[in-house]
Amino acid sequence: KQEVTQIPAALSVPEGENLVLNCSFTDSAIYNLQWFRQDPGKGLTSLLLIQSSQREQTSGRLNASLDKSSGRSTLYIAASQPGDSATYLCAVRSGGSYIPTFGRGTSLIVHP
Amino acid sequence: DAGVTQSPTHLIKTRGQQVTLRCSPKSGHDTVSWYQQALGQGPQFIFQYYEEEERQRGNFPDRFSGHQFPNYSSELNVNALLLGDSALYLCASSLRTGSLANQPQHFGDGTRLSIL
Repeated sequence: KQEVTQIPAALSVPEGENLVLNCSFTDSAIYNLQWFRQDPGKGLTSLLLIQSSQREQTSGRLNASLDKSSGRSTLYIAASQPGDSATYLCAVRSGGSYIPTFGRGTSLIVHP
Repeated sequence: DAGVTQSPTHLIKTRGQQVTLRCSPKSGHDTVSWYQQALGQGPQFIFQYYEEEERQRGNFPDRFSGHQFPNYSSELNVNALLLGDSALYLCASSLRTGSLANQPQHFGDGTRLSIL
């Protein structure tokens, strides 16, 4: 059974810092890994989707990497802004099923 | 272009009651998935509907059932509500083309269900 862990659970940083959020998974036979953002009381917004054959994806100030062999992905946020404050979730789709397994998320606060 | 819409936004029920939640997919999408997100947890997959049939199901009891209509909208029904059913229920829609695993999903803002 796939298990997804996100570290840290919470993070509070001053504006302008570069951040790294971590996601680890137990079964390396994955189809893809996806990072989402969730604002309080809202649904999920997809940030980046990395296929199992890819090593990284970039979108603006966000960069996600994938190391299947070690069961890890990182989300790098450059020059953080207060508007980046949200919970960040990673989800892994494993071999044999399209059903995504989510981590519990990292709650990020960027203060001015 | 309307995104995924869910109704109601909030709902309060008591133990033992039944509830129906509704979802309209993003325009052009034909597949709807439902998730349960307890406070402080990641979403857990309940089931997915395509062509008006349940195609995949997560580890949820039969008290959870669903339906998809010809216009692709969907309902989630939960019977005999328990306190543990209190959660944010999220609906996600996608277009069923190519590999199921690579369908990008668009999420609604969810229905907050509280059981007293």
